[in-house]
Parts: sequence; structure tokens; C-alpha cells
Amino acid sequence: ETGVTQSPTHLIKTRGQQVTLRCSSQSGHNTVSWYQQALGQGPQFIFQYYREEENGRGNFPPRFSGLQFPNYSSELNVNALELDDSALYLCASSPGTGLNSGNTIYFGEGSWLTVV
Amino acid sequence: AQKVTQAQTEISVVEKEDVTLDCVYETRDTTYYLFWYKQPPSGELVFLIRRNSFDEQNEISGRYSWNFQKSTSSFNFTITASQVVDSAVYFCALSFYNQGGKLIFGQGTELSVKP
Repeated sequence: ETGVTQSPTHLIKTRGQQVTLRCSSQSGHNTVSWYQQALGQGPQFIFQYYREEENGRGNFPPRFSGLQFPNYSSELNVNALELDDSALYLCASSPGTGLNSGNTIYFGEGSWLTVV
Repeated sequence: AQKVTQAQTEISVVEKEDVTLDCVYETRDTTYYLFWYKQPPSGELVFLIRRNSFDEQNEISGRYSWNFQKSTSSFNFTITASQVVDSAVYFCALSFYNQGGKLIFGQGTELSVKP
């Protein structure tokens, strides 16, 4: 039990649509990050939020955006969905102080997105 | 380059066998952190261990043990007396002092333990 919960668990969207994925992390975990995991691959870092601001981003286009709220919840939004966006999206949280953490990172069970 | 390589894509063993999962990493940073995660079919990444670059002591936790060798940039994971419940995909990952929640993952090793 990591204390990180995600919703929805599964969803199907059509190419070109927009999707919002939600995450609730543990109280006190100020840092939240999102990962994309394609089938058979390791997770890829999308971005990280600390105190409601993005402070680190991987190699993903601007149509991937996020929000972090004061109540330790966060969202991942993906616009103009493409077939290659089909993947497991993982939310992770840690008690770190943003960039300079190195703390243990705890993951949720993920949201399986299928784009058709 | 910062990279994690798990050369073993799939491993299959029979219950009670010992198995070692290999992890080799690349970095020029002197401060970094290494992790192992287990991913069962449900998808959740389960944290197993975190090790910082200044602590090369090997660690044992029950049937699990980890061998960290900076000289060979390796952080290998051994399961002793494997059980069917150990079947999962195992990921090795790397993070850095100045990059917070960003983990660089290897491709994963799928372990199948047969009864």
C-alpha cells in the first residue's frame, strides 16, 4: 500500500480527443511526477511538480500538461491524442523537497489508456 | 550519458532456485541513487530498495539481496529460494541529487517462477 491512488484505472479514447488522468498522493508528499509506460518498456519520465509548479520535464511535447493541487492531488492532461499515446500512465509521489530529493518514490497502480 | 541497462529480458526458473537479475548503469555524476522496483501484472510499481552512491554495502532483506559495485557500475538483485509469487517484471532505476522525482528506468526483466 503506497498511498498513491489513480483514476480511472482503464479508459478508451479516440484519436484527437483529450484525456485527464487523476492522482491522489500521500499527505506530506510535496513532489509528484508522472510516467508513461508503453507495453514491454520501462516507464518514461513525463514531468514533475513541486508546490504546484512544474520543475522538471522529460522528452514529451507540450500537449502533455499537468496540474498539482494543495490537497496532494494532481492531474495529467493529454490533448490531441495519438495512437502512440496508448500506454500505462503512472503517478508517483515522494516526500522530497522538489529537485534536491533523492528520496524514495512511491507509485500508484496506474491508468491504462487505449487510443483508437 | 545517463542510462540503465537490464540485459536480461526474460528469465524463467523453477521454484526454490536462486536467481540474479543484472543491472548496469551509466552516469558521470558522483551523487546518484539506485532503485529496484517490482511490477506485478496489476501495474503498480512496488518499491524494493533505494541505495545512494556513497553506500556500497550489500544489503539483505529476507530472501532478497543486492550487490552494489561502483567499480563495475552494477547493482544486481538476487532472489534466494524463488517462489511463484516472485513472478513479475523487475525494474532497476537511477536518479540524481538535482533531479528529484525523475527516475531513469531500465527495460525491465520479466521473471517467471514455475512450480
